[in-house]
Amino acid sequence: QQPVQSPQAVILREGEDAVINCSSSKALYSVHWYRQKHGEAPVFLMILLKGGEQKGHEKISASFNEKKQQSSLYLTASQLSYSGTYFCGTANTGNQFYFGTGTSLTVIP
Amino acid sequence: EPEVTQTPSHQVTQMGQEVILRCVPISNHLYFYWYRQILGQKVEFLVSFYNNEISEKSEIFDDQFSVERPDGSNFTLKIRSTKLEDSAMYFCASSDQGGQPQHFGDGTRLSIL
Repeated sequence: QQPVQSPQAVILREGEDAVINCSSSKALYSVHWYRQKHGEAPVFLMILLKGGEQKGHEKISASFNEKKQQSSLYLTASQLSYSGTYFCGTANTGNQFYFGTGTSLTVIP
Repeated sequence: EPEVTQTPSHQVTQMGQEVILRCVPISNHLYFYWYRQILGQKVEFLVSFYNNEISEKSEIFDDQFSVERPDGSNFTLKIRSTKLEDSAMYFCASSDQGGQPQHFGDGTRLSIL
């Protein structure tokens, strides 16, 4: 079951904040967040396993709602290096993993 | 830091030919994955592999595709009778446990002519 991300694309100026959402019609076993820069492989950012969980990584943090059907990624005080495509990813109870539709983030000076 | 390595970085093949994409996962990882990414599109799950057998596969992973772990280190994806629409970047990934963070290789760009 592929999760849906919104927005599809966002352009920010350095220092601005952004929120990327990841939604599923079914409860998710876990949510991963990855960032992919153009021409490179996805790089793991963080994983959330429990409903209600929140995690942070420098100025990037994420939440997983209580029903485990939505996750949000928060980017604060964005830097040029944050540019890339952000994917959420979900695993079922087996070993099948689906990436979301992706959100292209561009940070401009 | 250990990393996943993939070879070749770029493969150009005539339509109808067979290709084998190679991956060396991180040595103590037990779960292996192949993904495909068509240019400009999302990353698509193909297959996961654990304990020397396929544990999950997607609809994309039809009879044209097969995976093998021929020895203790390599993990291969074979595509038989390639089609133009198989042109994409193919990523291998590994993790130490199922559902845990995956480490990706740099990918193999497959071009079918």
